[in-house]
Amino acid sequence: DTGVSQDPRHKITKRGQNVTFRCDPISEHNRLYWYRQTLGQGPEFLTYFQNEAQLEKSRLLSDRFSAERPKGSFSTLEIQRTEQGDSAMYLCASSARDRGTSTDTQYFGPGTRLTVL
Amino acid sequence: AQKITQTQPGMFVQEKEAVTLDCTYDTSDPSYGLFWYKQPSSGEMIFLIYQGSYDQQNATEGRYSLNFQKARKSANLVISASQLGDSAMYFCAMREGNYGQNFVFGPGTRLSVLP
Repeated sequence: DTGVSQDPRHKITKRGQNVTFRCDPISEHNRLYWYRQTLGQGPEFLTYFQNEAQLEKSRLLSDRFSAERPKGSFSTLEIQRTEQGDSAMYLCASSARDRGTSTDTQYFGPGTRLTVL
Repeated sequence: AQKITQTQPGMFVQEKEAVTLDCTYDTSDPSYGLFWYKQPSSGEMIFLIYQGSYDQQNATEGRYSLNFQKARKSANLVISASQLGDSAMYFCAMREGNYGQNFVFGPGTRLSVLP
């Protein structure tokens, strides 16, 4: 049983470069989420997919950010023209509704730590 | 206004003792879920325990229990018999609605277990 995986785990880039992160959710989970976490803070919601449809985007997700989940399985998060303020941990989570309890627990991946120089 | 408040930035506990981490929340939705996550220094968020707003009993998972006081809008995490491996950041989170799309996290509490 594999959990949520993210790649790469660490990314260092220069300001102005584009970066792309990948998330592979738990296989039977149809819901996928991206969060951003800065040092000393809790995660902040960025966007959410149900299957391949992107159903919600936070105001934090500027025009430089784009996320896709083309086949309803893995997802990518791209940041164009990176800025130093983009330096953070980017967390991916997946979930599926538990029919027995009607709960929807999100399980997180290890995150991708982005450093923009 | 903050929806999740964790008033303890840092907590210390002696190994084998119990510790309570505070969480208060704010919502007008009658249906919601409360979650606790542990984040060790490695960065991964580990799900610990869940409490639904309509659950009659406090949730328990091994050494973790959730002290749910609905009228006070509090959902404190109790860790019994602390272990050195419990040292980590702990986040309280809320999902609003019956099947909300995203979680709102609190600022976290850093727990340090002393030998």
